[in-house]
Amino acid sequence: QKEVEQNSGPLSVPEGAIASLNCTYSDRVSQSFFWYRQYSGKSPELIMSIYSNGDKEDGRFTAQLNKASQYVSLLIRDSQPSDSATYLCAVRGRSGNTPLVFGKGTRLSVIA
Amino acid sequence: DAGITQSPRYKITETGRQVTLMCHQTWSHSYMFWYRQDLGHGLRLIYYSAAADITDKGEVPDGYVVSRSKTENFPLTLESATRSQTSVYFCASSERTIYGYTFGSGTRLTVV
Repeated sequence: QKEVEQNSGPLSVPEGAIASLNCTYSDRVSQSFFWYRQYSGKSPELIMSIYSNGDKEDGRFTAQLNKASQYVSLLIRDSQPSDSATYLCAVRGRSGNTPLVFGKGTRLSVIA
Repeated sequence: DAGITQSPRYKITETGRQVTLMCHQTWSHSYMFWYRQDLGHGLRLIYYSAAADITDKGEVPDGYVVSRSKTENFPLTLESATRSQTSVYFCASSERTIYGYTFGSGTRLTVV
């Protein structure tokens, strides 16, 4: 059973701080990694994808991938109250048709 | 409207009844997916489809049936609803498996 693990939180950070969300995965051959944001009562929304080791930046978001450690993280700089949501990590294995496996999510609360 | 739409938005049904959840996408994406989301379990894959007339089981397929006669539609049927199938159901689609998914707005199903 391929697993994706996330700390459920809640993770509370003050407005303007950096929020760091972490995710580990069990399938060593995983190739594609995604971060989704889900507001309460809404559907998941894709915010970042990363495929190779290192950092990928998009605005206030930075995704970091370390395949050797089987670890992917999401940094949110200058956190805003509107960033308060649950963040889901999703991982795809090596096979092209393998569906995404989702972690249970980390709830982030940004305090004004 | 372009996008992925689910219907109904909310549904209450009785134990033992058959119920069908609809999913329609306008992008002609090859891949479509059904997930259920429950507190404590996160998103779990029920069924997925790589193309019309091609479907495959996910992690929790028991009690569910899918079909995909047209690329744009992927209905999910609960053959005989049980209380354990009370959940929020999300449909998603993707043009290629290396991409992330786009989710519909979800159907909140309550089985009484």
